[in-house]
Amino acid sequence: DGGITQSPKYLFRKEGQNVTLSCEQNLNHDAMYWYRQDPGQGLRLIYYSQIVNDFQKGDIAEGYSVSREKKESFPLTVTSAQKNPTAFYLCASIEGSFGANVLTFGAGSRLTVL
Amino acid sequence: GDSVTQMEGPVTLSEEAFLTINCTYTATGYPSLFWYVQYPGEGLQLLLKATKADDKGSNKGFEATYRKETTSFHLEKGSVQVSDSAVYFCALKGAGGTSYGKLTFGQGTILTVHP
Repeated sequence: DGGITQSPKYLFRKEGQNVTLSCEQNLNHDAMYWYRQDPGQGLRLIYYSQIVNDFQKGDIAEGYSVSREKKESFPLTVTSAQKNPTAFYLCASIEGSFGANVLTFGAGSRLTVL
Repeated sequence: GDSVTQMEGPVTLSEEAFLTINCTYTATGYPSLFWYVQYPGEGLQLLLKATKADDKGSNKGFEATYRKETTSFHLEKGSVQVSDSAVYFCALKGAGGTSYGKLTFGQGTILTVHP
């Protein structure tokens, strides 16, 4: 079945460490997105990519980095510069960038900083 | 830039009550509008969508109408069930300028339905 796979589901990090969250999709979707979800704040856009080798900053990109070397993969690195990284991270993808195509979400990765 | 504002929660209702969750937006051009639902411990699922003014999206008894004149996309259901308890997100997909292709979500509204 086609879908989005995020890993790991749970991740613990010590302060000062970089961590990378994986997002893989086999839907042949062009655009991919990373969101951060905090209680009471909904989803906030970190980065998005509409084509391979290109990506744009979202609303809260500071302290994060991404790459889009392959169409099916959009990993997110949470760097030590991110001051409050504990959150639930959601990856999503969409077919093309036009019209009202449906956004498909992964099951999420929960990052906790110890 | 684009923005979405939802009514603050949490919303607590009894089973079979009428539900309204308000959503208003600010955007350039004619965005597409969505409602997503998130059940505990899961990612988001599309509930319904509308692509142009006066379109009505509907699914599982939920409805929302794209009102360009009031920039709103309120979610309604005539009779809620306990299984509807979840977090509901209003969202838009930008249609113009620097917002093209960008998806923006509201802050989410927690709905709890009691038997």
